[in-house]
Amino acid sequence: AQSVSQHNHHVILSEAASLELGCNYSYGGTVNLFWYVQYPGQHLQLLLKYFSGDPLVKGIKGFEAEFIKSKFSFNLRKPSVQWSDTAEYFCAVLSGGSYIPTFGRGTSLIVHP
Amino acid sequence: GAGVSQSPSNKVTEKGKDVELRCDPISGHTALYWYRQRLGQGLEFLIYFQGNSAPDKSGLPSDRFSAERTGESVSTLTIQRTQQEDSAVYLCASTKWTGQETQYFGPGTRLLVL
Repeated sequence: AQSVSQHNHHVILSEAASLELGCNYSYGGTVNLFWYVQYPGQHLQLLLKYFSGDPLVKGIKGFEAEFIKSKFSFNLRKPSVQWSDTAEYFCAVLSGGSYIPTFGRGTSLIVHP
Repeated sequence: GAGVSQSPSNKVTEKGKDVELRCDPISGHTALYWYRQRLGQGLEFLIYFQGNSAPDKSGLPSDRFSAERTGESVSTLTIQRTQQEDSAVYLCASTKWTGQETQYFGPGTRLLVL
């Protein structure tokens, strides 16, 4: 069965710092990859996704993620965070042929102004 | 509607009582998912509907949990004889076709079993 690891459970940064959140998965076949974000008091929403093509994916609000197949990773990055990026971030993996995504435990990001 | 809606937003119940949680997916979305999120944990898959059939119920934690869906619209998750460990946020999500797509989430129902 697929498993998804998000190594950083809590991250605290100051504004303008760079961000990288780790996401690793276990299943080595074809995968679709997602990052979802939940801002305080709001629904979970899609930040970005990878299905095929360029492994460097750009999302909303300046976020990007890189799919590295050899490392089973899909890390999320942002060069300069803002206070408004404070949120919970979830990595999700959909294995080939499956209809059920597997979610990571989530990373809580707090950005101090 | 514009998005996925869930009701109630909060539910407090006593141990042993039954509860019903409702999800209204985005109109036209054929796939519907239920998840459970315990405090500090990730999303735990419960059940998936394609139309009104449930091809995968593997995530339901016990026979106290059941769900149904009417056509390609409303779904109800029922928890019978609630236990304190059922306390969690229950999330519903829908996708337009199969599960191979972005999920659109509702705001969740926060269930507290006393």
